[in-house]
Amino acid sequence: EAEVAQSPRYKITEKSQAVAFWCDPISGHATLYWYRQILGQGPELLVQFQDESVVDDSQLPKDRFSAERLKGVDSTLKIQPAELGDSAMYLCASSFGTSRTGELFFGEGSRLTVL
Amino acid sequence: KQEVTQIPAALSVPEGENLVLNCSFTDSAIYNLQWFRQDPGKGLTSLLLIQSSQREQTSGRLNASLDKSSGRSTLYIAASQPGDSATYLCAVWGNTDKLIFGTGTRLQVFP
Repeated sequence: EAEVAQSPRYKITEKSQAVAFWCDPISGHATLYWYRQILGQGPELLVQFQDESVVDDSQLPKDRFSAERLKGVDSTLKIQPAELGDSAMYLCASSFGTSRTGELFFGEGSRLTVL
Repeated sequence: KQEVTQIPAALSVPEGENLVLNCSFTDSAIYNLQWFRQDPGKGLTSLLLIQSSQREQTSGRLNASLDKSSGRSTLYIAASQPGDSATYLCAVWGNTDKLIFGTGTRLQVFP
């Protein structure tokens, strides 16, 4: 069964260091999303791509976060420098159609701990 | 601003019980509603997707209903099993073109 792949599964880093997460969506899914989930809360959208274009990054803290999907397939989310408040689960999701009709499929997530 | 609320926040039941999880949303102008399951430390698994024109969806022991006018959805789990223990999240896609999540219901089914 096709899955959304994410790596690393766990990342521990010190404050002010750089960290990167990678996501490979389900083959053929044009829409890719990065969400952040703080423990005990629901996921919140950071950035949405349609193919290689950013559709929505209004909630992305652009002073320290960046995301790219250069060839419209896999994507990288970077944080530099990491802060204590960035500790969370970073989830990648993809969908085949537009967001309004398409079912979202999530990866296993990348758990970030900032010390 | 769309807000999604899930009640109860936590639920503990004995195996075999039928149970209902509730989800309410403040803006009824939605395109779809999706129910997810999340095991501790893991990602989200899609359970059911209900389009705005639909009233319910079923998958195995799961049945989800949608009442747009009242801003409510329910997830019915029949004959609960210990393996159903997880956090259940609902999410709605509305005019903001974002999937807005509730905070989830943490379910524990004990033998």
